[in-house]
Amino acid sequence: GQSLEQPSEVTAVEGAIVQMNCTYQTSGFYGLSWYQQHDGGAPTFLSYNALDGLEETGRFSSFLSRSDSYGYLLLQELQMKDSASYFCAVRTPHNQGGKLIFGQGTELSVKP
Amino acid sequence: DAGITQSPRHKVTETGTPVTLRCHQTENHRYMYWYRQDPGHGLRLIHYSYGVKDTDKGEVSDGYSVSRSKTEDFLLTLESATSSQTSVYFCAISDNTEAFFGQGTRLTVV
Repeated sequence: GQSLEQPSEVTAVEGAIVQMNCTYQTSGFYGLSWYQQHDGGAPTFLSYNALDGLEETGRFSSFLSRSDSYGYLLLQELQMKDSASYFCAVRTPHNQGGKLIFGQGTELSVKP
Repeated sequence: DAGITQSPRHKVTETGTPVTLRCHQTENHRYMYWYRQDPGHGLRLIHYSYGVKDTDKGEVSDGYSVSRSKTEDFLLTLESATSSQTSVYFCAISDNTEAFFGQGTRLTVV
């Protein structure tokens, strides 16, 4: 099966940098992705890592270490609008059905 | 925006009644997923589909069934609704690395 662990809450100050971690256990691995969800809204895709290393998209970066079954999402130059829940998700390979399993999410609060 | 719609958006139903939620996509994506979201539990996978008539169970499938008779539609059925199935339900579609979510259905079972 698959399981993912994320810290439940993180608080940071506007303009700062925050890192949100994700550890996973899975019997099949195709990639690790990250999603953002604001209160009352639908989750939206942020980034995807299939290989080890860092992927950067603007203020957002995501890192993956497959040997450690670990990844993180890094947000720089925090803004108030970044207050939201952030979910990591593991996808299984196509020959295992392409299942997409989410962690319980980290709620990020950005303070002035 | 990806073409994915859920219907209905809100529903109140009585315990013991059957309920069907619909997810419709216009993207021709291979994979479709149904999740429920409850406070403190994140997004939990109910059922998913990797092709027409190809479906499988997720983490919390008891009390739910699904059908996918054509690429664009993925139906979630609660055979006999219970109060524990009160939740927000999200459908998602994906072809490869990125998943797109519908706006959600808020279901209340009274």
